[in-house]
Amino acid sequence: KNEVEQSPQNLTAQEGEFITINCSYSVGISALHWLQQHPGGGIVSLFMLSSGKKKHGRLIATINIQEKHSSLHITASHPRDSAVYICAVTLAGTASKLTFGTGTRLQVTL
Amino acid sequence: DTAVSQTPKYLVTQMGNDKSIKCEQNLGHDTMYWYKQDSKKFLKIMFSYNNKELIINETVPNRFSPKSPDKAHLNLHINSLELGDSAVYFCASSHRLEYGGTDTQYFGPGTRLTVL
Repeated sequence: KNEVEQSPQNLTAQEGEFITINCSYSVGISALHWLQQHPGGGIVSLFMLSSGKKKHGRLIATINIQEKHSSLHITASHPRDSAVYICAVTLAGTASKLTFGTGTRLQVTL
Repeated sequence: DTAVSQTPKYLVTQMGNDKSIKCEQNLGHDTMYWYKQDSKKFLKIMFSYNNKELIINETVPNRFSPKSPDKAHLNLHINSLELGDSAVYFCASSHRLEYGGTDTQYFGPGTRLTVL
């Protein structure tokens, strides 16, 4: 079993819909990261958080340390949001090592 | 202008050959990483260097050897390439935080390696 689990694996939404992607982890962490991988392959870091909530434009990331759970929300989704969203954690006491989830493939249609 | 760059972008080679992938960052970061993304798009850490010192060395065949000539460069040399080495290899960089964790990581564009 992977230390980082994401759901759903695949998600199709219509433009304008509110989207939620979930990430659960089973280990102690020092931080959680949300990454976006575009269809062209490039990877961009969206958020790094260790508590609470962060917002950037239409993207919101939350984390509940007690429940070992994080969510990534996209408001007013747009076809350009179509990508793979990857949750990753920095395991506590492991220097800079990231452990990744398997990703959620999001397709937003018109 | 590019923050983290990798060369080459594509690499096609025969089994048994030796090849290198180069990575450079101009962000002034002190930590660099190599990741492998397999055919199922799963990312896994391979190596990490902090100030030219190896700090993460995952279970990777010793045919893979990273080299960091300075803080801005981290190269990956692969000997005796095998079919299973076919993947996309990503370089990344970040600041290492005081408590030992990593700050936001910036990724290179990836190198798609195909071993025939």
